[in-house]
Amino acid sequence: DTAVSQTPKYLVTQMGNDKSIKCEQNLGHDTMYWYKQDSKKFLKIMFSYNNKELIINETVPNRFSPKSPDKAHLNLHINSLELGDSAVYFCASSQVGPQFSSYNSPLHFGNGTRLTVT
Amino acid sequence: DAKTTQPPSMDCAEGRAANLPCNHSTISGNEYVYWYRQIHSQGPQYIIHGLKNNETNEMASLIITEDRKSSTLILPHATLRDTAVYYCIVEYNNNDMRFGAGTRLTVKP
Repeated sequence: DTAVSQTPKYLVTQMGNDKSIKCEQNLGHDTMYWYKQDSKKFLKIMFSYNNKELIINETVPNRFSPKSPDKAHLNLHINSLELGDSAVYFCASSQVGPQFSSYNSPLHFGNGTRLTVT
Repeated sequence: DAKTTQPPSMDCAEGRAANLPCNHSTISGNEYVYWYRQIHSQGPQYIIHGLKNNETNEMASLIITEDRKSSTLILPHATLRDTAVYYCIVEYNNNDMRFGAGTRLTVKP
């Protein structure tokens, strides 16, 4: 029943490793996102995909590579993990349409993946 | 990045109305005002949004000033479970939500 689900919930790994976080939404939305929340609790957008196409790509190291096999999934792969990558990563989805359109929906977030790099 | 200003923290007594202010003096005519909240370390939860008119749903009311430069989120009867960080965001389209520091609301018994 979970609308936006992320796995794993916790991820502890060592520097230099490569890891992936998976996200799936069953809301039928056509846009998915990755947000990062650091230790200071600031929530920053990283990527946005609309119908499997990259829409937003903030200033994120290219060690982070999102992959969208279909519009219900947006996975985040991180290469060569660094200590500074430790954070909570949130996946979200929404339906984006023309402005003022009832077709639009608010963001629905997953419960986050807490990544700890040691 | 955030185009809004919110007080960093507020307290509210349980059962009373919680009024959370937000300033957005540079808001454009086609930008909506959105409110989300984050309880502990869960994912943010949508509360309400509006353009010009006041809005009400089962969770809260949103009052937007006539000049649209500020708004207030009202939780009519705050409960302990409403303790959270509340984010006010202005955005043309929900495709690019930018979260600021928010207001940490503590509801006290």
